[in-house]
Amino acid sequence: GAGVSQTPSNKVTEKGKYVELRCDPISGHTALYWYRQSLGQGPEFLIYFQGTGAADDSGLPNDRFFAVRPEGSVSTLKIQRTERGDSAVYLCASSSTPGRVSYNEQFFGPGTRLTVL
Amino acid sequence: AQSVSQHNHHVILSEAASLELGCNYSYGGTVNLFWYVQYPGQHLQLLLKYFSGDPLVKGIKGFEAEFIKSKFSFNLRKPSVQWSDTAEYFCAVNLMDTGRRALTFGSGTRLQVQP
Repeated sequence: GAGVSQTPSNKVTEKGKYVELRCDPISGHTALYWYRQSLGQGPEFLIYFQGTGAADDSGLPNDRFFAVRPEGSVSTLKIQRTERGDSAVYLCASSSTPGRVSYNEQFFGPGTRLTVL
Repeated sequence: AQSVSQHNHHVILSEAASLELGCNYSYGGTVNLFWYVQYPGQHLQLLLKYFSGDPLVKGIKGFEAEFIKSKFSFNLRKPSVQWSDTAEYFCAVNLMDTGRRALTFGSGTRLQVQP
């Protein structure tokens, strides 16, 4: 596809359940980012992948949050034992190869709206 | 910690009015600066960016922004807004000296343009 895609678009779960959110970046983009946007706020950084490895996971709020990118393309954000405070829109972004000027531009997907009841 | 401040949370303008949205950041080093726009029901889109060079940056749809290093500011401007500019606008900063890739966003400004 032409842009970043995310599935599902909406996810409703119960407190304590496990959820997985998927991101498919722009083809050829080596960098992938996850952000979280709460109501009335700007996106907050969670984690950044360069290729298959997590180059910066300093934004993950606690050990209930984990993300993988096993083949360097699709990424999955995993949240264990969900809490009501995890309710937010989870955004994925990608950017191109290091060394290119366009590497500094992040292109965002439509997000997954997570609601924890 | 680094932060980005957007002073105007909600702005209401009539069509053809001029627009200026404020953005200030708290970091003394080298930065990349961005304005993103989110139209109703759509995802974040890049409006314009500043990496280096001319501090006056022109973006899409007639928007421009000026980087004033001494004021740590990157205000967004448009001489004459249209109803279709109704959207939420986010300023974002990337701290180049740190080597980190994360963008730090402001809390956003909701712009409502009345016909």
